[in-house]
Order: sequence, then structure tokens, then C-alpha cells
Amino acid sequence: DAGITQSPRHKVTETGTPVTLRCHQTENHRYMYWYRQDPGHGLRLIHYSYGVKDTDKGEVSDGYSVSRSKTEDFLLTLESATSSQTSVYFCAISDRLAGEGNEQFFGPGTRLTVL
Amino acid sequence: GDSVTQMEGPVTLSEEAFLTINCTYTATGYPSLFWYVQYPGEGLQLLLKATKADDKGSNKGFEATYRKETTSFHLEKGSVQVSDSAVYFCALSDMSGGSNYKLTFGKGTLLTVNP
Repeated sequence: DAGITQSPRHKVTETGTPVTLRCHQTENHRYMYWYRQDPGHGLRLIHYSYGVKDTDKGEVSDGYSVSRSKTEDFLLTLESATSSQTSVYFCAISDRLAGEGNEQFFGPGTRLTVL
Repeated sequence: GDSVTQMEGPVTLSEEAFLTINCTYTATGYPSLFWYVQYPGEGLQLLLKATKADDKGSNKGFEATYRKETTSFHLEKGSVQVSDSAVYFCALSDMSGGSNYKLTFGKGTLLTVNP
């Protein structure tokens, strides 16, 4: 299994609170991704990174920011959590681009509940 | 834009039954196609893939053939087991339009196999 950990694994927070989720990899992969999984929507890309300090938005980036100061860590921040951000968040990594038929490896997920 | 449509289920089968999960796609270029599987409480993992027309991906008894003429990538297994119970996601990645970093997922199909 690819070495990907996510922390915390579960979190309950209140509306308006800032929240940071961490993804840590030991594979030295260049690309890192944050997805959210919601019933009826599958997985949707929030942000991704193509190198240290290089990040870009995905399809559902509003209300989220990211940072990557080291190859192994990719942080997702909800500046002011809302109930619509209640979801399961998955981090993924890859060493090459998916468009070339390359696999993304997924972490175990973080279940976030915003009350 | 790119999109993936898969039968939403849930699908409930008896052990040793034949499985088909339909997946069709829309893409601007020549996508790579994937099936990912998510077992309860875990992240997604790659099940199989195909990168060009008429390719057949296979793994663990599952198969899918890349059909460009019907824009389909249906997942099949001849004899399912209880351990195959999971959520199955069809996904694509397209090299064109600058989106070769991302996977576009279908909504997922829950499969339950009863003994």
C-alpha cells in the first residue's frame, strides 16, 4: 500500500470555526490532491498540487485553501467551516499525470461534520 | 466538459452471480479510463484501467473493455463473491484541454453480494 496518512480521521466542529486537514505521504510523489466525497456526487476535486508551493484549484474550491511547503505534506484549510462542508475528504497522490493512464493512490479519508 | 455516467444502484446479487455495472463517458479528447473500488471504511483503490480503444483491463476476475464507438467501459465479473461487496467508481482522465492532471468520477455504484 502507498504510504498515505490523513489526520485527523474524524472531526466534529462548529459553523464558523477554522479547520485544517493534513495529508502526509512517504512515497515522494510529485502530485497531491484533495477530494470530497458526498452521496450522489461521487468524488469531486477541491485542489491539487504539482510540486512544493505549486497548487491550483479544482472544481469545488470555494471555501477551501491549501498549502504545500514540503513534498510530503499537503494541508487543506476550511477558513470558516459551513454545514455544506460536512463530507468525507480524501487525499490522493500520484507520481505522474492521470491523463497518461497513471494511478492515483488514495488515503483512508477524514470524516468531517460541521454542526 | 468531461463527464462519467454509471448505473447508480444499489446492486444486490447472490454469490456466484454475474455482475455488470454500466459506465459511459463524454470526453473532448482520448481519455484513459479507470475503475476504482472502495471497500467499507477505506479509501479508493485502482481495480483496473485501459488507456486506448479496444484495450481490456482486468484484475481479480473483473474485466472492462474500452469501447470508443459506444463511449463505454462496462465492468463485468463472471462470478461475484461476498468479498466483492463495495462501492465501484468509473473514472476518466483526458489528456486534452489542460485537464490531464485530474480524474473525473462517476457517482459510484454500491454492490452488495449475499451468501
